[in-house]
Amino acid sequence: QSVLTQPPSASGTPGQRVTISCSGSSSNIGSTTVNWYQQLPGTAPKFLIYSNNQRPSGVPDRFSGSKSGTSASLAISGLQSEDEADYYCAAWDGSLNGYVFGTGTKVTVL
Amino acid sequence: EVQLVESGGGLVKPGGSLRLSCVASGFTFSSYSMNWVRQAPGKGLEWVSSISSSGTYIYYADSVQGRSTVSRDNAKNSLYLQMNSLRAEDTAVYYCARSLGIGNYHFDYWGQGTLVTVSS
Repeated sequence: QSVLTQPPSASGTPGQRVTISCSGSSSNIGSTTVNWYQQLPGTAPKFLIYSNNQRPSGVPDRFSGSKSGTSASLAISGLQSEDEADYYCAAWDGSLNGYVFGTGTKVTVL
Repeated sequence: EVQLVESGGGLVKPGGSLRLSCVASGFTFSSYSMNWVRQAPGKGLEWVSSISSSGTYIYYADSVQGRSTVSRDNAKNSLYLQMNSLRAEDTAVYYCARSLGIGNYHFDYWGQGTLVTVSS
């Protein structure tokens, strides 16, 4: 069950900034940290951002995350063609006692 | 190098059973929680189940609760998902993923997935 809401699509030209929102509730985003995953076409997901805004080694600094209240955002600045992928937010939900993923956002580089 | 390799997927009839496996290498398996996440064709990610490092704590999504059993064998570096009473809506690629714990933790490594198709 997707209880985190994301826009289905986002797009931009190379070099532009794209922002993806993730809306949740007090039982998930509002009470825990948010993680973001990138899924390139035909591949397994890869983790991109953890603990709201932390980048693992190897992830370019053009990817950044933020959280405020029951919402989170992923920003991609300096958009590149290799950023075309599906992006998912995720968090633990204390009411469901399980992880919840966002509905996913497909990023297209025009 | 951390590796997670799933297997056991295939074509099964509605009502049937399947046991998925995930073999881990490149890290101390017994120190990590493990998770199953699935993705139906053309759809988004759906968390299925999580098991703590020792197997003490186990969680399931409502969609599989009562029909699935997650387990692990730390001596064999292996994670399992026994799925029973399979339905068409269980058709998906099933990924195993590693995390440091359950709850406020991210999935830092994922396998390549194994496809389960439930169809008559």
